[in-house]
Amino acid sequence: DAGVIQSPRHEVTEMGQEVTLRCKPISGHDYLFWYRQTMMRGLELLIYFNNNVPIDDSGMPEDRFSAKMPNASFSTLKIQPSEPRDSAVYFCASVPTEGNTIYFGEGSWLTVV
Amino acid sequence: TQLLEQSPQFLSIQEGENLTVYCNSSSVFSSLQWYRQEPGEGPVLLVTVVTGGEVKKLKRLTFQFGDARKDSSLHITAAQPGDTGLYLCAGRSGTYKYIFGTGTRLKVLA
Repeated sequence: DAGVIQSPRHEVTEMGQEVTLRCKPISGHDYLFWYRQTMMRGLELLIYFNNNVPIDDSGMPEDRFSAKMPNASFSTLKIQPSEPRDSAVYFCASVPTEGNTIYFGEGSWLTVV
Repeated sequence: TQLLEQSPQFLSIQEGENLTVYCNSSSVFSSLQWYRQEPGEGPVLLVTVVTGGEVKKLKRLTFQFGDARKDSSLHITAAQPGDTGLYLCAGRSGTYKYIFGTGTRLKVLA
């Protein structure tokens, strides 16, 4: 079975540009999470959805960040405008309703120069 | 803000040695998980502990959940180079909110 699929795997962009990260969760999983990982701050929860509805976005750093889940098989995390301090690995993950295992994608490595 | 502090942050040991990694918080969690992450990949679940005082074993790995459900430990017996990686604890708060620890980076030398 396919796992959580993220794209792009790597992105290098210039400061001020818009960045869109994409995620396809595992089919049948009702919960979707966006995490950010850096050496300094570790793995931080940004936002999570249940049945496509945002439940908790308290981890979203500021208004430059936004996330959407238009349907059960697709989510986006957008940064506009991007800044060098946004450089990190962004993980998408999903969890089935009846389980508690978090299944992570391989991550999107973002570098803002 | 709920925080999970892990110690040590970094650990470099020789093959065959034993080690223990700690995960501590001032908050109570309904369950706690341990994940291992290898370079270029996402974390992968090792174990979930739910009951205070619970002990689970996974081959050479032993996991314990504190009686008060605020802390946990991971003990590895006779470490091998294949155990090298980033170990993360994660506490479940609320329905499905998982908070990750600061991480322990382990390197096992052959």
